[in-house]
Order: sequence, then C-alpha cells, then structure tokens
Amino acid sequence: EIVMTQSPATLSVSPGERATLSCRASQSVYSNLSWYQQKPGQAPSLLIYGATTRATGIPDRFSGSGSGTKFTLTINSLQSEDFAVYYCQHQGTFGQGTKVEIK
Amino acid sequence: QVTLKESGPALVKPTQTLTLTCTFSGFSLNTNGVRVSWIRQPPGKALEWLARIDWDDDKFFSTSLKTRLTISKDTSKNQVVLTMTNMDPADTATYYCARMRGAGYRYWFDPWGQGIPVTVSS
Repeated sequence: EIVMTQSPATLSVSPGERATLSCRASQSVYSNLSWYQQKPGQAPSLLIYGATTRATGIPDRFSGSGSGTKFTLTINSLQSEDFAVYYCQHQGTFGQGTKVEIK
Repeated sequence: QVTLKESGPALVKPTQTLTLTCTFSGFSLNTNGVRVSWIRQPPGKALEWLARIDWDDDKFFSTSLKTRLTISKDTSKNQVVLTMTNMDPADTATYYCARMRGAGYRYWFDPWGQGIPVTVSS
C-alpha cells in the first residue's frame, strides 16, 4: 500500500506571504495526486487534481507541481481565508495533513 | 449542481451496527463511470477512505475494515448506504460521502457531503 507523507505538520505564515506544502509518496504515483483544503467544521474541498490542475473556481494563487513521488502545493500571497488544513490524496490514501496557521 | 448529504444516527453503542445513508442529487448512479465513496475523519485526525460503489455495482473496501463494511445503492432514490458492524469507540468520527471524479485508477473526490458526526459510546 502506498503511503502519503506530508510536511511540515504545521506551517506558520504571515498573510500576504507564500506557503509551500510538501507531499511525498512511498512509490511513484505518476501525476495521480490531488490536494484538498479543509476549514474548521467543514468538509474537505478539492483544490487540485492531476497534480497540477486547479479545480473549478480555485484562485490562481493556488498551484500544484510535481510528479512521481514528490509533490508541492504552493499558495501565493496568503489570504485570511486560506488558513486551513491541507491534505494530499492518491487513490484511497490521504496524507496526514498540513495545518497552515497565521504567524 | 451536484450535492450530497449524509444521514444517520449521531450516537451508537459499542457492538452495534451503524447504518449511514448518502442522498445525492445532480447525477445518477445509473450513469456509466459514476462512483461514490465513503470517507471518515476521527476528531482532530486525518481522512480515511472506507468504501466505494460504482455505477455497475462494483464495490471496493478499505483493507483494514472490509470485514465490517457493506455498501449498496438505491438508484431510484439516489442513495448510497454504508453499514459498519461491531462499532467501537475508535470508530467515533465524522463520516463523509463524496462523488468520485476521474476515470480508472486516476480519481479524486468532488464534491463532498457536509459530513455526519457519529459518536460510539455506551
């Protein structure tokens, strides 16, 4: 079974700055990787699929990159509404999440 | 517009069977390629995929939970039902259903239902 490992567990960022989140797969998942955002008390919502494609309505400050075993979610110019937990997913496996908090 | 909503009990006792219903709109499980999954999230913890049912009635389960799970669909009611037997306090979680998008082994979950919190306690 493929294991997805996210780092860091918590990322402290000031509003307006860039956040870089990492997700690593224990073996190649090619570009079959998605990212989700989860705000407190809410269901996760899709941000990125196919490693790099933004879901409908997702602002372009969110970008995904990578392939194989190493993936990155970059959030440029963090807005107040972006402080949340982010999960990566490959098939039926999710990472442990990265919490992006206000510095 | 695609929407999903979970329903079921908020509280179950240990050893009981949990039955959850996902009622959806905006798509049909009669349509080729459509798939729906159940995913759960214990309080403060990560997401865990549980089960999936496909338009052709194919079913897939989490390896660690497959002996306790069943999944079924009622296409006339636009519903997917998940049952989990022998509930334990460790099964306390918010349970989500979600439509699966993509094809074959390349898939993602979108959208998700709002989730239903389930507590297992005597």
